[in-house]
Amino acid sequence: SAVISQKPSRDICQRGTSLTIQCQVDSQVTMMFWYRQQPGQSLTLIATANQGSEATYESGFVIDKFPISRPNLTFSTLTVSNMSPEDSSIYLCSVRDGPQDIQYFGAGTRLSVL
Amino acid sequence: LAKTTQPISMDSYEGQEVNITCSHNNIATNDYITWYQQFPSQGPRFIIQGYKTKVTNEVASLFIPADRKSSTLSLPRVSLSDTAVYYCLVGERDSSYKLIFGSGTRLLVRP
Repeated sequence: SAVISQKPSRDICQRGTSLTIQCQVDSQVTMMFWYRQQPGQSLTLIATANQGSEATYESGFVIDKFPISRPNLTFSTLTVSNMSPEDSSIYLCSVRDGPQDIQYFGAGTRLSVL
Repeated sequence: LAKTTQPISMDSYEGQEVNITCSHNNIATNDYITWYQQFPSQGPRFIIQGYKTKVTNEVASLFIPADRKSSTLSLPRVSLSDTAVYYCLVGERDSSYKLIFGSGTRLLVRP
């Protein structure tokens, strides 16, 4: 199975600033995704990170707020821009890998916005 | 995307078998059923996936009736470390489908 590394694992940020989260996979994967998990809630899909083109965002998420890069098949970044306390969540990187197209998740980045 | 319905929470005791049932009445012909486990402060972990009848691995069994409108995740002889949230998801097994999570079932295993 794919091994996913996310950085940072946690951060505390000030309102109005931006944070970029990195996701590194140990193998080339076609599909990469970004999810958000608010405290006590289930996971919500933010976007699909497309290699070499703009990400595909889900309803309620926009590129200006959550710009995503995917320069190659093993790496992606998610930026949380102009943060507010409502952005305090766990952000998870996910990839699909293997012949059964199983989806794997990173450990997540726990973000607190003051 | 097929919607799933699971119990919000379940309680069990160590050593018991736990069965979590998921309803997916509008499952499509090409959809597979996948279960994930999530511990606090960790990302979801793949448990098992199936299409019909029964699938078993070293962790769990998945029972799917002929009409595929529901499925049951069976955890044999649970331990305290099985306390987690369990998610049932339904979708096509191809590279383009998006995994959409429902509310999940919060399982508490007591000593």
